[in-house]
Amino acid sequence: DIQMTQSPSSLSASVGDRVTITCRASQSISNFLNWYQQKPGKAPKLLISAASGLRSGVPSRFSGSGSGTDFTLTISSLQPEDSATYYCQQSYSSPYTFGQGTKLEIK
Amino acid sequence: QVQLQESGPGLVKPSGTLSLTCAVSGDSISSSIWWNWVRQPPGKGLEWIGQIYHSGSTNYNPSLKSRVTISLDKSKNQFSLKLNSVTAADTAVYYCAGGGVSWGQGTLVTVSS
Repeated sequence: DIQMTQSPSSLSASVGDRVTITCRASQSISNFLNWYQQKPGKAPKLLISAASGLRSGVPSRFSGSGSGTDFTLTISSLQPEDSATYYCQQSYSSPYTFGQGTKLEIK
Repeated sequence: QVQLQESGPGLVKPSGTLSLTCAVSGDSISSSIWWNWVRQPPGKGLEWIGQIYHSGSTNYNPSLKSRVTISLDKSKNQFSLKLNSVTAADTAVYYCAGGGVSWGQGTLVTVSS
């Protein structure tokens, strides 16, 4: 199985801050990397697919980059509604494993 | 817009079988996407369970493979999950998803006597 490791596990930032979450795969997954946002009591929401493809309707302050084993999710200017847990998931090979999640809190 | 809705018992006895159904609306179960099951134990992260394609092809998480069956019913435009020999460790919110884009709201299944 491909292991996905996110860092940090949690972070606290202020409105307007630039925030970066990283995700590392245990082997190369090309660009087969998705990012999800999950708010309490809700289903995950797909933000970015294929490492950098912003999904329709997702604010442009979200961006993704990377290929191979190292990936990042960046929020350029943090908003209050961005408080959530973020997960990466590899879609390169089954089982399609998730990272352990990064809990983002707004100061 | 594709909508998915999970249904099934919220309580299952240990050693029993967990059975859930995901009803799909706004799209055909025969469309060219994989239909997935994902679960989330209370307070924990997401675990991919498995998926099925309209052809009937399946992929399962090896950690659950011996206990899991995913099937589809084209006449009802739905797909299903069965998990055998459940224990308390299988207590979780279970989500169905179309690709990674459309998700059901999730349903909590508790394994307890």
